[in-house]
Amino acid sequence: NAGVTQTPKFRVLKTGQSMTLLCAQDMNHEYMYWYRQDPGMGLRLIHYSVGEGTTAKGEVPDGYNVSRLKKQNFLLGLESAAPSQTSVYFCASSEAGGPSDTQYFGPGTRLTVL
Amino acid sequence: SQQGEEDPQALSIQEGENATMNCSYKTSINNLQWYRQNSGRGLVHLILIRSNEREKHSGRLRVTLDTSKKSSSLLITASRAADTASYFCAPRQYNNAGNMLTFGGGTRLMVKP
Repeated sequence: NAGVTQTPKFRVLKTGQSMTLLCAQDMNHEYMYWYRQDPGMGLRLIHYSVGEGTTAKGEVPDGYNVSRLKKQNFLLGLESAAPSQTSVYFCASSEAGGPSDTQYFGPGTRLTVL
Repeated sequence: SQQGEEDPQALSIQEGENATMNCSYKTSINNLQWYRQNSGRGLVHLILIRSNEREKHSGRLRVTLDTSKKSSSLLITASRAADTASYFCAPRQYNNAGNMLTFGGGTRLMVKP
């Protein structure tokens, strides 16, 4: 099993450009999450999904959109990138209310917006 | 949001010593989890302790939970250079339909060889 994978690993954008980050998991998890991590800080939840076709806002959703068309994929979109969105983005997945309640994280995408 | 706050922010010890990190939170929880993050990598789950548990062990890790004080501690015994990482606690509230976790700023642990 690959676990949680993210593409791309690195990206540089100019202000105003758009892009989509892809997260894929092969553990058949119901729940998926997108976080951002800024230097020296913890993770902040952007959006999450509790199942295929459903999404919900997290702590810092502004400027981002998400889609969960397939259970194994969770896409994060930036429609008009801003320098404030320079960050490392992590995707995670977990079982639906499973006893372990563990989140499994991808390796991250480092995004720089100039 | 149910954010855990880790203390200290940074900790530097010699290999072989024990490392203790603390976490405080604000409201009632279902469970509390600890994660490790190596530099430039994603978070890795270490251990979960439920609200009705007071202590849990996993290898060289020992976690305690005091719900009356709304605090938890993570002890790493006989530390190794490979334990150098950031450690985050993540309290999970009851009635959290999305199994959402919130993370604090973490404790940056450096273990010197």
